[in-house]
Order: sequence, then C-alpha cells, then structure tokens
Amino acid sequence: VQLVESGGVVVQPGGSLRLSCAVSGFTFDDYAMHWVRQAPGKGLEWVSLISWNGGSTYYADSVKGRFTISRDNTKNSLYLQLNSLRAEDTALYYCVKGLGYAFDIWGQGTMVTVSS
Amino acid sequence: QSALTQPRSVSGSPRQSVTISCTGTSSDVGGYTSVSWYQQHPGKAPKLMIYDVTKRPSGVPNRFSGSKSGNTASLTISGLQSEDEADYYCCSYAGTYYVFGTGTKVTVL
Repeated sequence: VQLVESGGVVVQPGGSLRLSCAVSGFTFDDYAMHWVRQAPGKGLEWVSLISWNGGSTYYADSVKGRFTISRDNTKNSLYLQLNSLRAEDTALYYCVKGLGYAFDIWGQGTMVTVSS
Repeated sequence: QSALTQPRSVSGSPRQSVTISCTGTSSDVGGYTSVSWYQQHPGKAPKLMIYDVTKRPSGVPNRFSGSKSGNTASLTISGLQSEDEADYYCCSYAGTYYVFGTGTKVTVL
C-alpha cells in the first residue's frame, strides 16, 4: 500500500497550486480519501474529505471556498486545488486513506510554503 | 471547529502506565463513537493506533487501549516502552468535519 504526494512548492501569497496523490496497493474507489496538514512544529489539522465516488466533499472552515478536493478513480489519484493561498496555509500536506471515521494509511507528505 | 484539548505532555518510566485525555464537546467527542488516536515520531507520518474509541488496528500492540466517557476520550499505554516516546493526537468525527486534538508528547523517563 502506497500513497505518494507531489506538487508542493514555494508560492506567493494569493497564489495557487494543485497537489496530487498517487495511490497503489488497494482498491482506490472503495474508500473515502482525506487531506490532512501539519504546519511546521505544529499539530495535525484535517483539511478535506471526498467520498469514494467523488459525490460528496467536505472542508475545514479554514479552507472552505479556497480549496477544492477531487479524485480520478481511473487514475487512482487524489487531488487538492489550493487557491488564494495565505501564509497560514504553509504546511506539510498528507494524503490519507479513510477507514470508516479514521485515517489508516498516510503518505509521507508534500510541503507547501506560502511566502513572498 | 475548535481543536480538542489534550495535555501538552505526559511522562512515565518503562513498564509504567500513562493515560492521555482528549476533551471535546457534545458536538464531537461526546456525540459520536468515532474517536481515533495517532502516534507520530519525529519526521514521520502519523500512525493509526486506535479507532472507533476502542478498536486496535492489526499490528498495534495490545498495551494501547482507548476509552470514552461523556465528552472526554482517553488513550492508555500500559507497560510503557522506549519506542512509545512520540507525539500522540486524538481525532473526532463531528458530523461534516473532523477535529484533531492539540497533541501530547509522551516521554519515557
């Protein structure tokens, strides 16, 4: 089982980027998927959830209206579009497999730095 | 969507037991049997240790146990071992979102 995130870069405030997560080792379209982030030296923060078929999405208040989660089950891939980025969005972003109401498989994360 | 409250740190000697509390509200911890716990070593991704308040994933030692009373969930590590030294986070489902705890550093003396 493997989740490999990519797309993290240094971006200016107000900028945009898209994170990707390539999944292997399990039946991707059987499971909901999440993004969880961790600012440097800080705790974990849940960001977003997408249902197994992409029909339902949910967001933390801190990113609602700015971030968009999506998935392509034909490519075993999860995405997170980040718009209107702020300094407080600087974090390591983890792609995470859902297990019921828990998170059982985590990627190694991709770092997003918002700085001018 | 306020973070759940955990003690900043707990410590214990090898073979002792430690308990980490996780306090929320009736909208999260108290409202659902959906509390999970994660262990994170420095520089590593978190690892699921407990889900659905009391269940242990395959491969997690049985010295880790979970419980809940009202708006407070707890993680107990019995027979503390050196490799248990790490940060621990609780997490609760809250209807349309999830909320993590503030995190607890466990130190093995």
